[in-house]
Amino acid sequence: AQKVTQAQTEISVVEKEDVTLDCVYETRDTTYYLFWYKQPPSGELVFLIRRNSFDEQNEISGRYSWNFQKSTSSFNFTITASQVVDSAVYFCALTSWGPLANTPLVFGKGTRLSVIA
Amino acid sequence: NAGVTQTPKFQVLKTGQSMTLQCAQDMNHEYMSWYRQDPGMGLRLIHYSVGAGITDQGEVPNGYNVSRSTTEDFPLRLLSAAPSQTSVYFCASRGYREQYFGPGTRLTVT
Repeated sequence: AQKVTQAQTEISVVEKEDVTLDCVYETRDTTYYLFWYKQPPSGELVFLIRRNSFDEQNEISGRYSWNFQKSTSSFNFTITASQVVDSAVYFCALTSWGPLANTPLVFGKGTRLSVIA
Repeated sequence: NAGVTQTPKFQVLKTGQSMTLQCAQDMNHEYMSWYRQDPGMGLRLIHYSVGAGITDQGEVPNGYNVSRSTTEDFPLRLLSAAPSQTSVYFCASRGYREQYFGPGTRLTVT
């Protein structure tokens, strides 16, 4: 069975601080995909990134960066120079994916990030 | 291109009433799913479908029914609403690269 653990329930930082959200996953699949979603106070789920299991390169998008480490089954998300608009609940998710794999996305319980001005 | 649409956005039901949450996508995706979101619980899968005529249960299927007669639509039926079904419901549609979510339906059962 697949499982995603986000051990940090809530994090509070002061604006301009860097913050890392942890995600640890469990799967027996050799090919899988990891996701991060953002849920702002307005409630919608916003896709941030998808990473497949055979690509361990870290990714950077503006102030956001993701560190994928297969050896520790982790897919951590760092926000650099946080801003108030980053305040949201962030979800990490895992699935097998491909033409022959239609397994559902399994979500962690989310980390609520509050950025204080 | 509307993506994933859900109706209604808000609903209040009395215990024992039934209703259908509507979900539609215009991306020709085969894979669709329903999740519920409760405080501190993340998103939990209710039912999913890998194509028209094919559905399967997720983690929390009790009290819900689904069918998939077309590729576009995947309605979720509450057979006899209970207060434990008070939640926010999200429908999702999966393409090759991304899973898209609808805006959600906030349901309150009194």
